[in-house]
Amino acid sequence: GQQVMQIPQYQHVQEGEDFTTYCNSSTTLSNIQWYKQRPGGHPVFLIQLVKSGEVKKQKRLTFQFGEAKKNSSLHITATQTTDVGTYFCAGAGSNYQLIWGAGTKLIIKP
Amino acid sequence: ETGVTQTPRHLVMGMTNKKSLKCEQHLGHNAMYWYKQSAKKPLELMFVYNFKEQTENNSVPSRFSPECPNSSHLFLHLHTLQPEDSALYLCASSSPVRGVELFFGSGTQLSVL
Repeated sequence: GQQVMQIPQYQHVQEGEDFTTYCNSSTTLSNIQWYKQRPGGHPVFLIQLVKSGEVKKQKRLTFQFGEAKKNSSLHITATQTTDVGTYFCAGAGSNYQLIWGAGTKLIIKP
Repeated sequence: ETGVTQTPRHLVMGMTNKKSLKCEQHLGHNAMYWYKQSAKKPLELMFVYNFKEQTENNSVPSRFSPECPNSSHLFLHLHTLQPEDSALYLCASSSPVRGVELFFGSGTQLSVL
């Protein structure tokens, strides 16, 4: 069946360092969504990418959708303590049903 | 506040108990969902309702029984659960049913003893 692999599972960074998480789908996606879940919280929608090769920015966050619409990435520049949480990608297949990655947990080292 | 309210926030139940989870959305959405979130695993879609009609049941055991009396309310009835059913149960809503962002409730953290 369709799968979305997300790596890494965890990433420890010093505050001020950059963070990147990657998602790869076994099939071509109609679109991909990104969510953030704070510790003890629930997933909150960040953005949706639809077009091949699309790049979108939200302040220090940069989202990319691959040319083949099978991979995506989220890059955070100069992490802050408020960025702590787990970032999930969710790809929409041909029937638009969402297929979720397992998430990447961003941990800021003290 | 996301506009999706779930109760209770925490629930501890024995394997022989019957309990229900409640979800209410105030966003005017047509679709509502139940997801299961276990540690280190992707979110698992359990049920989808669109305009009160169940459109998906992803091979969920019959000990989980959903109910959607109207487009704003969704219930998950639980009975004779197993310890491996312990997880965070998330309700979400959207409009339309596919291809758009989901609005999640705060979830019910369920522990089955």
